[in-house]
Amino acid sequence: DADVTQTPRNRITKTGKRIMLECSQTKGHDRMYWYRQDPGLGLRLIYYSFDVKDINKGEISDGYSVSRQAQAKFSLSLESAIPNQTALYFCATSDAGRPGDTQYFGPGTRLTVL
Amino acid sequence: KNEVEQSPQNLTAQEGEFITINCSYSVGISALHWLQQHPGGGIVSLFMLSSGKKKHGRLIATINIQEKHSSLHITASHPRDSAVYICAVREINTGNQFYFGTGTSLTVIP
Repeated sequence: DADVTQTPRNRITKTGKRIMLECSQTKGHDRMYWYRQDPGLGLRLIYYSFDVKDINKGEISDGYSVSRQAQAKFSLSLESAIPNQTALYFCATSDAGRPGDTQYFGPGTRLTVL
Repeated sequence: KNEVEQSPQNLTAQEGEFITINCSYSVGISALHWLQQHPGGGIVSLFMLSSGKKKHGRLIATINIQEKHSSLHITASHPRDSAVYICAVREINTGNQFYFGTGTSLTVIP
């Protein structure tokens, strides 16, 4: 079984709809991240969490919110989706105890907002 | 502003060729990572470097901290190496921010 899972893997929705992307991990890592990837751009950080009580905005947090329900779960919400949020979304985890913070990525969620 | 720049953006090679992908960065870092993104989208970590050189099979990664530059080399390239290779740095000043390059798309032709 995959260590980092994301649901759904694909989603098509309409402008204005509320969408939640979920991420679960079995690696026991404290740190979790949400990124989006757009063609021609590098991965960009949306939000990150270093433990259940610690949530931080990343480079492009506007229009998004997150919830860290447990160490293993980190959800990303789009309260009112808009077309420029169409992208590939990745969840990642890392182990705070290891130097260099190697990240382990989920398989990605392809979101299309019409 | 791009904290991480990669070159080339696209690379086509014949099977067996030696390949080099370059990464330059502009921020102080605690570590640099090389990632591989498969055509299906999945991303895996290949190397984490803070100094020197690392080798894993046919892959070699080097870093020059003074010059803020890293290279990823693939020896005896194979079609299964076809993927997007992404350089990422962990910035030391913000403590935990990662910056990613836009990736190098490699195609190895049989």
